[in-house]
Amino acid sequence: EIVMTQSPATLSVSPGERATLSCRASRSVSSSLAWYQQKPGQAPRLLIYGASTRATGIPARFSGGGSGTEFTLTISSLQSEDFAVYYCQQYNDWPRTFGQGTNVEIK
Amino acid sequence: QVHLQESGPGLVKPSETLSLTCTVSGPSISDHYWSWVRQAPGKGLEWIGYISYSGSANYNPSLKSRPTMSVDTSKNQCSLRLSSVTAADTAVYYCAKGVGGMDVWGQGTPVTVSS
Repeated sequence: EIVMTQSPATLSVSPGERATLSCRASRSVSSSLAWYQQKPGQAPRLLIYGASTRATGIPARFSGGGSGTEFTLTISSLQSEDFAVYYCQQYNDWPRTFGQGTNVEIK
Repeated sequence: QVHLQESGPGLVKPSETLSLTCTVSGPSISDHYWSWVRQAPGKGLEWIGYISYSGSANYNPSLKSRPTMSVDTSKNQCSLRLSSVTAADTAVYYCAKGVGGMDVWGQGTPVTVSS
């Protein structure tokens, strides 16, 4: 199976700052990459699919990039509601696999 | 507007079969693929598998042939059965729309495996 590795495990950021999260695939997933946000006690929410397309209703401060094996999620100016855990997920191959998550916390 | 609601027993005994249902409100269940994902306490997300309205399915090999998914088009529901459960199957179980980027999720239902 394709192993997804996210870094860093924890990212400490001040409100208003930029955050960049990384996701690496053990082999190419083309652009079949999604990003999710999960807050405590809530279900994941789709942010990005196709590596760079924002899902419906997702603010423009969220952007995704990359292809092949290296991907990034950038939050241009962190708002209080953005502090959460973020997961990447590949859907190029079976089984679908998730990264272990990056916890974005308040600095 | 799409709404998913998982339901099922919150407690299952070891070696028994876990059975969960996802009720879909909004679209016809025949219009999309439906995935199940779980999250053990304090852990990350694990994809269990997907089912289509036609019954085609694909399961995570890590679960060793224990999952079975089905669709009931008359009730607009999909279901998950996971056999021979152990404590390692204790998790919040989610149903979600789609099999690529999953764009709608249920709220999740917690399941504890314990005698």
